[in-house]
Amino acid sequence: QSALTQPPSASGSPGQSVTISCAGTSSDVGDYNSVSWYQQYPGKAPKFIIYEVNKRPSGVPDRFSGSKSGNTASLTVSGLQAEDEADYYCSSYAGSDIWVFGGGTKLTVL
Amino acid sequence: QVQLVQSGAEVKKPGASVRVSCKASGYTFSNYVIHWVRQAPGQRLEWMGFINAGNLKTKYSEKFQDRVTITGDTSASTASMELSSLRSEDTAVYYCARKQSGEKYPFDYWGQGTLVTVSS
Repeated sequence: QSALTQPPSASGSPGQSVTISCAGTSSDVGDYNSVSWYQQYPGKAPKFIIYEVNKRPSGVPDRFSGSKSGNTASLTVSGLQAEDEADYYCSSYAGSDIWVFGGGTKLTVL
Repeated sequence: QVQLVQSGAEVKKPGASVRVSCKASGYTFSNYVIHWVRQAPGQRLEWMGFINAGNLKTKYSEKFQDRVTITGDTSASTASMELSSLRSEDTAVYYCARKQSGEKYPFDYWGQGTLVTVSS
């Protein structure tokens, strides 16, 4: 049950787009459409922003979008805003009632 | 509204056990699954296991299999997680998170987190 692989950091200027990758295996990301993404501010609990690879819950801006290709999922934040600066984690079902998280990516808005 | 309220911070000595509770409100407790996720200081989220509040079935991560016990009390709408044989590396914030049964659903509501500090 290895963690999913995310880049430790990502950055972009206000208004730009940034994409965060989440690399798994054919046993987790590649085998299930159950990737979700979480946004976490310092000292706060995570909040889900994407589920089932590319679905957004109500209240999450459409600037956030998700996708998947093979064993890698991605989160794209378009039109970056200062409030998007946070840590982002992906998660995937890994079979046999097991879930796995990514290592997290710190997004900096320059 | 849905709320998961966790018990307060704990300080434990190495070798001891800790129990963290998670009281749910605003929904039917037995219709969902409660997962436990921990986060060491400055580190990633780490999935520990879950309890299905409907049938009280549990599943644990291999990493914690020998040391963790998750229980549920449907009459009190409360789930609890006990971690034994604590070591310094177990110092972390422990979260409970709600999830519908089934692989595609996200962890949609989270508790506020409970800091567990293991120190001699």
